[in-house]
Amino acid sequence: GQQVMQIPQYQHVQEGEDFTTYCNSSTTLSNIQWYKQRPGGHPVFLIQLVKSGEVKKQKRLTFQFGEAKKNSSLHITATQTTDVGTYFCAGHWNAGNMLTFGGGTRLMVKP
Amino acid sequence: KAGVTQTPRYLIKTRGQQVTLSCSPISGHRSVSWYQQTPGQGLQFLFEYFSETQRNKGNFPGRFSGRQFSNSRSEMNVSTLELGDSALYLCASSFYPGANTEAFFGQGTRLTVV
Repeated sequence: GQQVMQIPQYQHVQEGEDFTTYCNSSTTLSNIQWYKQRPGGHPVFLIQLVKSGEVKKQKRLTFQFGEAKKNSSLHITATQTTDVGTYFCAGHWNAGNMLTFGGGTRLMVKP
Repeated sequence: KAGVTQTPRYLIKTRGQQVTLSCSPISGHRSVSWYQQTPGQGLQFLFEYFSETQRNKGNFPGRFSGRQFSNSRSEMNVSTLELGDSALYLCASSFYPGANTEAFFGQGTRLTVV
């Protein structure tokens, strides 16, 4: 079936270092969404990308949607301890499909 | 405005029992989805409801069922519980289903089967 693959599964960084998580689909996505789940919490919506090649920024976070709408990335510049959590990508293949989540990348930041 | 409310927050059940979990979506939201979250499997889709109709169903056995009421509240039921059903069950609501809609998650119900 259709899946969204996300790498890496875990990432340890020193505070101040950059971090990137990647998301891939075997087929073209209608959109890609990103969520953050803090330890012990629930997923919280960060952003949605819809257009081919789209790039959006939220302060230190940069989100990209690939030209073929099959991959996406989230890049965090100069990580802080508040960035700790699991980042999930999620997408729809078409309007009739449910939102399918990637496996998530757990980010740990050493102060 | 109030967020998505899931009850109960924690539940301990014995193998073979059944359980019903409840989800009240954000006021005005008519779409509700359920996910199972386990450490090894991430967020696995269970069902999606809109206007009391099941739109999509994930790859779970028939022991997992759900429904949605006319006020958009939703319940999911798991019968003949197995140890492997221990997980965090998350409910998400949105205005309508499909692409281009943001999902708002509840705090989840943590189910432990012993």
